[in-house]
Amino acid sequence: NAGVMQNPRHLVRRRGQEARLRCSPMKGHSHVYWYRQLPEEGLKFMVYLQKENIIDESGMPKERFSAEFPKEGPSILRIQQVVRGDSAAYFCASSPLGKTGGQSSYNSPLHFGNGTRLTVT
Amino acid sequence: QQQVKQSPQSLIVQKGGISIINCAYENTAFDYFPWYQQFPGKGPALLIAIRPDVSEKKEGRFTISFNKSAKQFSLHIMDSQPGDSATYFCAASIRGSTLGRLYFGRGTQLTVWP
Repeated sequence: NAGVMQNPRHLVRRRGQEARLRCSPMKGHSHVYWYRQLPEEGLKFMVYLQKENIIDESGMPKERFSAEFPKEGPSILRIQQVVRGDSAAYFCASSPLGKTGGQSSYNSPLHFGNGTRLTVT
Repeated sequence: QQQVKQSPQSLIVQKGGISIINCAYENTAFDYFPWYQQFPGKGPALLIAIRPDVSEKKEGRFTISFNKSAKQFSLHIMDSQPGDSATYFCAASIRGSTLGRLYFGRGTQLTVWP
């Protein structure tokens, strides 16, 4: 039973290039989340998607960043014209449920992938 | 603005000792408090979680203590082992909101010496 799959594991881009990070959720999970982890900081929420819909992008920078989760295929986090400050680990997570509040939500933890480490040179 | 404050930043404990990591929050709408464990090069993995109507939850050597009035919660690792050496994150999410919209603390790097 494969977990959340992210690729590539490591990505090096020069300033101004585009970075594409891919995430395949766990089987049976239709909710995908992207988080960013800067050195010595906790994870920061970026965006929450369901198939073909962006549900919450309140944590996404307004410019250069976009995300999608198409009907077929993995979720993609896209960073255009990367800058050095974009260097970080980007984690994708998935869950079978969307909302908290019910008993079942406590039994449905968020499952994280092993991340993509982006380095901008 | 860090909604969940975690301390200490790093912790060194001898094998067999007790590791204690503390977290505090302000937002009373938080109703789910998970702890995640992260090894180098890996993603965070859920360790244990607690609801605000429970003051303590124990799973094996790991215990969460929750103080609702003080808005604090802590992770206790009993009989700490070298294999527990990892970064630990506390987190919280808001009642009725997106399950995966977690607010994380900055993390505690735990080192357990043999």
